[in-house]
Amino acid sequence: GENVEQHPSTLSVQEGDSAVIKCTYSDSASNYFPWYKQELGKRPQLIIDIRSNVGEKKDQRIAVTLNKTAKHFSLHITETQPEDSAVYFCAASRGGTASKLTFGTGTRLQVTL
Amino acid sequence: NAGVMQNPRHLVRRRGQEARLRCSPMKGHSHVYWYRQLPEEGLKFMVYLQKENIIDESGMPKERFSAEFPKEGPSILRIQQVVRGDSAAYFCASSPPAGVETQYFGPGTRLLVL
Repeated sequence: GENVEQHPSTLSVQEGDSAVIKCTYSDSASNYFPWYKQELGKRPQLIIDIRSNVGEKKDQRIAVTLNKTAKHFSLHITETQPEDSAVYFCAASRGGTASKLTFGTGTRLQVTL
Repeated sequence: NAGVMQNPRHLVRRRGQEARLRCSPMKGHSHVYWYRQLPEEGLKFMVYLQKENIIDESGMPKERFSAEFPKEGPSILRIQQVVRGDSAAYFCASSPPAGVETQYFGPGTRLLVL
């Protein structure tokens, strides 16, 4: 089955700096890669996703890049703000009727003033 | 448009009791997924259902756990004879009909087994 690895497990950045979180996956048939943000005690919230026919996607301060050959995808947050502090999870799925998500272990991002 | 609803939000059970968790998908969504999150860990897939059908239950323990999504009403995850190791947050997610992979999560049910 699919295995998703995520690094780093914790990340501390100063407000205004950039943050990068990296994930690798093992199943070459995976073609959908969402990122979720989870605040303490809250539900995971989808912040951005990318499909395998696209190499990069951007939404304001958030961008995701995908390298299918290397089975690697990354989340980039620019101009970080204190409200970006949360746990971020990457995930992968094959899509269609096999669309269960396999999640990474999470990155705890702390944005300091 | 209401999001994914789950109830109860918190559930306390003693060992050996049954836990019943409910999930109502977003309006127009016909696919439901259940995930379990242990403290300080990521989410683990348990089961994927469509109305009246279990599509994939590969992540669900064979014993004590069952799930259904009837024609009418919410999806239900049932845990019989709970043990302390079942203590976790259980999230359900829903997605639109086939072809759209995006999953939206409910607020979760936090199960504590005493």
